[in-house]
Amino acid sequence: GIQVEQSPPDLILQEGANSTLRCNFSDSVNNLQWFHQNPWGQLINLFYIPSGTKQNGRLSATTVATERYSLLYISSSQTTDSGVYFCAVDGGATNKLIFGTGTLLAVQP
Amino acid sequence: DAGVTQSPTHLIKTRGQQVTLRCSPKSGHDTVSWYQQALGQGPQFIFQYYEEEERQRGNFPDRFSGHQFPNYSSELNVNALLLGDSALYLCASRDGPKGSGANVLTFGAGSRLTVL
Repeated sequence: GIQVEQSPPDLILQEGANSTLRCNFSDSVNNLQWFHQNPWGQLINLFYIPSGTKQNGRLSATTVATERYSLLYISSSQTTDSGVYFCAVDGGATNKLIFGTGTLLAVQP
Repeated sequence: DAGVTQSPTHLIKTRGQQVTLRCSPKSGHDTVSWYQQALGQGPQFIFQYYEEEERQRGNFPDRFSGHQFPNYSSELNVNALLLGDSALYLCASRDGPKGSGANVLTFGAGSRLTVL
């Protein structure tokens, strides 16, 4: 099955800093989503981005499907950005998402 | 517009017991999936229900079973609980195969199960 690797595993930032999270996947995908899991466990969908670039406020994401990676950019980070960021992919038309191991982000005031 | 709702939010069981978790999908969604998230790990796919039938199944034993009702809500049942079943159980919903949002999953807040 598809393997999903995320880096870095942990990241500590000062408020206002920028960061880039990476997701590598081992096969072609037709679904890629980025999620933010808050400290209470809620998974919030950030982007549906199997290819191309999208932006939503301080967040943006780029997926280069031919090279099998996706990047999540966080600019001007805030303490509320803290939590775990997951990349999840699906290689078939099933929506059986395969999750990476996540990046734990801590934004300090 | 209510999102995906799950109940209960927390529960404690002992080994060997049985548990039922419930999920109501987002309005307009007819496909429900269940995921198990152990501490410190990413969610793992358990199974997916559409039109009241199990359509996809992950690598989970038969102790894990489910059901989908005509109103699209769903239940996850786990029998003969083991300590290793302690986890956050997440429900997700999406439009059906022909829906415009068919590829985007929306998750509930989860049910945190502790097995003692």
